[in-house]
This record gives sequence, structure tokens and C-alpha cells, in this order.
Amino acid sequence: NAGVMQNPRHLVRRRGQEARLRCSPMKGHSHVYWYRQLPEEGLKFMVYLQKENIIDESGMPKERFSAEFPKEGPSILRIQQVVRGDSAAYFCASSPEGYTEAFFGQGTRLTVV
Amino acid sequence: GQNIDQPTEMTATEGAIVQINCTYQTSGFNGLFWYQQHAGEAPTFLSYNVLDGLEEKGRFSSFLSRSKGYSYLLLKELQMKDSASYLCAVRDESNYQLIWGAGTKLIIKP
Repeated sequence: NAGVMQNPRHLVRRRGQEARLRCSPMKGHSHVYWYRQLPEEGLKFMVYLQKENIIDESGMPKERFSAEFPKEGPSILRIQQVVRGDSAAYFCASSPEGYTEAFFGQGTRLTVV
Repeated sequence: GQNIDQPTEMTATEGAIVQINCTYQTSGFNGLFWYQQHAGEAPTFLSYNVLDGLEEKGRFSSFLSRSKGYSYLLLKELQMKDSASYLCAVRDESNYQLIWGAGTKLIIKP
């Protein structure tokens, strides 16, 4: 049973470009969470999704950021018109129904140049 | 507001014992988690406490006092591979959103 898969592991974008981060949850997991982590800081909640539904996006910036978790395929975190401040590690975690722990992917390290 | 406090950095000696403290103030409480994170890697689950008391799992133990808003992670027989950041996280009243501390960087010396 493969773990949570994120790709790409590293992503470099120029200012103004779009970044697409993908997350395939563990098999059987229907809950996906996205977090952002800046160097030497803790994880910051961004969004919580279930299949085809955004449950809570209170941690997501109102502009330029969007997330989806379609019926088929991975969850996508999309950042439009990236700026230098978007440079961070973005982690995805998944859990089954009624979880007590979430399993994390290896993260995507986004660098905006 | 919501707040999780942990020491920024601790140093300990191989073979010794170390206790990493975490205090929290959150809107509601539905459990406290400890995760380990090696540099450049994903956090991995260590422990979960929802009731007061001590949970022991091998070399690692975690304690919770809900009335004091306090938890600690105890690591025994320290090994060099235990050098990592240890993250404390509290599940809030939403029952799914985790509020994270900034992590404690643990340095193990021979």
C-alpha cells in the first residue's frame, strides 16, 4: 500500500507563472489536507477536502490559491501568478473516515525566482 | 486566539533522556498529536493523546494534562537518529483542523 504521493518533489517557477501541486492520498483515504511550511516554522493549515467537496478553506489566501479533489485523480493545489513569498514546502496529508492520525506525503518544495 | 508553544531548540546526549514540553491555548480540544520531522522530510506520526495521562510506546512516551493545557514528549535511550524536529499539534473544535506548534529542534550529541 503506497503512502501519500506528492509530485513534483521540487518545483521552480518564475514570478507570475502558475504552480500546480499534486497529491494522491493513500488508498482508501477520502480526506485530504494541505499545509504550508516555511523554513524553521510549523505547519500552517490551508485547506481540507473530501472527494469533490471543499470542507474548510479558511487557511487559504483568498486570491491566487485554489484546491480541488475530483472524483477521479489526485488532489490539486493551484497557485496562480506566483510571488516570491509563495516559496515554501507544501505538504499534503490524508486520512480515512474517523481518523486519529493523518499520513503525510514527502512534500513539494516550491521556489519562486 | 489559538497558540501552541514549544521550545525552539534542545540539546541532549546519546543514551540520555529528554523531555520536550508543549503548552496550548485553543478553541476546543479534540486530541493532541506529536510528530517527528527530519530535515527536508515529511512529518511522521509519533503519538496521540485525548485523555489525561501517559501513553507509552517503546522509547517514546507522551503525557497530557487537559486542565493545564500541557503535554510533553519523553524520549529515552536517545540515539543519533533521534536528531529531528518534534512537532506538537492540537485538533481543535472543528475536530479535523490541526493547530501546529513551530516545532522543537532536538540535537543529539555523542
